[in-house]
Amino acid sequence: EAEVAQSPRYKITEKSQAVAFWCDPISGHATLYWYRQILGQGPELLVQFQDESVVDDSQLPKDRFSAERLKGVDSTLKIQPAELGDSAMYLCASTLGSQETQYFGPGTRLLVL
Amino acid sequence: QKEVEQDPGPLSVPEGAIVSLNCTYSNSAFQYFMWYRQYSRKGPELLMYTYSSGNKEDGRFTAQVDKSSKYISLFIRDSQPSDSATYLCAMKDTGRRALTFGSGTRLQVQP
Repeated sequence: EAEVAQSPRYKITEKSQAVAFWCDPISGHATLYWYRQILGQGPELLVQFQDESVVDDSQLPKDRFSAERLKGVDSTLKIQPAELGDSAMYLCASTLGSQETQYFGPGTRLLVL
Repeated sequence: QKEVEQDPGPLSVPEGAIVSLNCTYSNSAFQYFMWYRQYSRKGPELLMYTYSSGNKEDGRFTAQVDKSSKYISLFIRDSQPSDSATYLCAMKDTGRRALTFGSGTRLQVQP
């Protein structure tokens, strides 16, 4: 069964350092999402891609966060510099075209010390 | 006030019990309603998907949507210890593709 892949699964960093997360969506899925999930809360959208284009980054803290999906396949989310409040689970999800079902990866758990 | 409200629990039930999980929402534009199950330190897994109002059944799971009351429910029959997880409701309108999630309800099924 096809799955969304994410790496690393866990990341510990010190504040002010740079971190990067990688996501490989299900093959053929044109739409890719990055969500952030703080412990005890539901996921919240950071950025949405349609192929290589950003279609919604209204909730992305652009002073420190960046995201790219250069060839419209895999994607990278970067934080620089990391802050204590960035400690959370970062989830990637993808959908096939107009279908509404989003499939999530296992997530990257970030701890900023 | 959040667009989607969900009781965080925890909800503890004995094995075999019927579980009822609920969410309320304020955005009348929501048309698609989902329930995800999330085990500790894992990504959400889609359980049920419903469009507009009505009921949908899949095995031990039944999803209900009442758009007039802005209220959705997930029922789990014959609950099992393996059902112990956090259950997230999620919904979206036809325009925006991203999901709006509730905060999740933590369920513990005692053997």
